[in-house]
Amino acid sequence: NAGVTQTPKFQVLKTGQSMTLQCAQDMNHNSMYWYRQDPGMGLRLIYYSASEGTTDKGEVPNGYNVSRLNKREFSLRLESAAPSQTSVYFCASSGNRDSTDTQYFGPGTRLTVL
Amino acid sequence: GNSVTQMEGPVTLSEEAFLTINCTYTATGYPSLFWYVQYPGEGLQLLLKATKADDKGSNKGFEATYRKETTSFHLEKGSVQVSDSAVYFCALSHGANNLFFGTGTRLTVIP
Repeated sequence: NAGVTQTPKFQVLKTGQSMTLQCAQDMNHNSMYWYRQDPGMGLRLIYYSASEGTTDKGEVPNGYNVSRLNKREFSLRLESAAPSQTSVYFCASSGNRDSTDTQYFGPGTRLTVL
Repeated sequence: GNSVTQMEGPVTLSEEAFLTINCTYTATGYPSLFWYVQYPGEGLQLLLKATKADDKGSNKGFEATYRKETTSFHLEKGSVQVSDSAVYFCALSHGANNLFFGTGTRLTVIP
């Protein structure tokens, strides 16, 4: 099992460019999440998908869109990148939305917006 | 609302020293509590968790006890190794499994 995979690992964008971060999990999990990690701030939830076909906003959704393509895949899109979106992005998945359930994280995508 | 406060770092210890990283939380009701670890260049992985008051989570020599009376979930290890050098995150989950993270504590263990 690969667990949670993310592509790309690194990306540099210019202000105003768009891109999509890809995430896939092979654990047959129902729920998937996108976080961003900034220095001194821990991880913050951008969007989540409780199950296939549903998505909801997290704590910091502005400037992002998501698509739950199928049960395995959950993508994050930046339509017009801004320097404030320079961050490390992590995708995660869990079996369900129960508060006791463990979330499994991918290796991250380091994004720099110039 | 939900929030987690953890000890500011960085923390530098000699090998075999005792480790404590403090974590306190604010939440309504009864959250689940987690410690995640992030090794250099990697994603987060679960270290241990506790889902109800007085539960003790343990893994790889690390322990933490869910203390509802003090709203705390401090991480401890009796004898750290160089391989424990990483960033440690305390987190809580309440209701619908949205995780709320502390800011992270960087631990460096020197031989």
